[in-house]
Amino acid sequence: NAGVMQNPRHLVRRRGQEARLRCSPMKGHSHVYWYRQLPEEGLKFMVYLQKENIIDESGMPKERFSAEFPKEGPSILRIQQVVRGDSAAYFCASSPRQVGTGELFFGEGSRLTVL
Amino acid sequence: GQQLNQSPQSMFIQEGEDVSMNCTSSSIFNTWLWYKQDPGEGPVLLIALYKAGELTSNGRLTAQFGITRKDSFLNISASIPSDVGIYFCAGQLSGATNKLIFGTGTLLAVQP
Repeated sequence: NAGVMQNPRHLVRRRGQEARLRCSPMKGHSHVYWYRQLPEEGLKFMVYLQKENIIDESGMPKERFSAEFPKEGPSILRIQQVVRGDSAAYFCASSPRQVGTGELFFGEGSRLTVL
Repeated sequence: GQQLNQSPQSMFIQEGEDVSMNCTSSSIFNTWLWYKQDPGEGPVLLIALYKAGELTSNGRLTAQFGITRKDSFLNISASIPSDVGIYFCAGQLSGATNKLIFGTGTLLAVQP
């Protein structure tokens, strides 16, 4: 009965490289949310996706960041040409339906360090 | 964007003490939730509140949904060392999606 699975747990990149973070939602969940947590701060919403659709990307930076959730496979958060300010923990959460109780189930996060 | 203000920022208490923390917003929320985050882990849901005025318990935890729908409170009774962590409030703005806005967090340290 696996929960939300994220990988890698830790990722180190040099400035200018690309980072790809993967998220497999809980079984039976088709809605995925990505959040970013900077050191010593709370979680900030980035993007909400359903299978093959981006529903709300109001929290995504306009450049270098993209997200997808294909019909098959995990959701991917992609950061191109990383900068030091991208260093953060990126959390994925899933829910079974679009409208519900507001309860999100979080993964353990992917910690990106940009050198 | 919306922001939830949590207080206190941090608390250092003795084992056995009761703890109170709260969260306020400039916006009205449909749902209030409280999460706990252990170091190096993702947030775990503790309590969810769905109606203004609602008071809900989960073991030693009790949370309330404020009457104005702009605030919420979390109480932990008889704290134990494993209560250590960061507690976040979160609000669901509308019923259209499960998108949550998170508070700034309260760091709790418990001295055995």
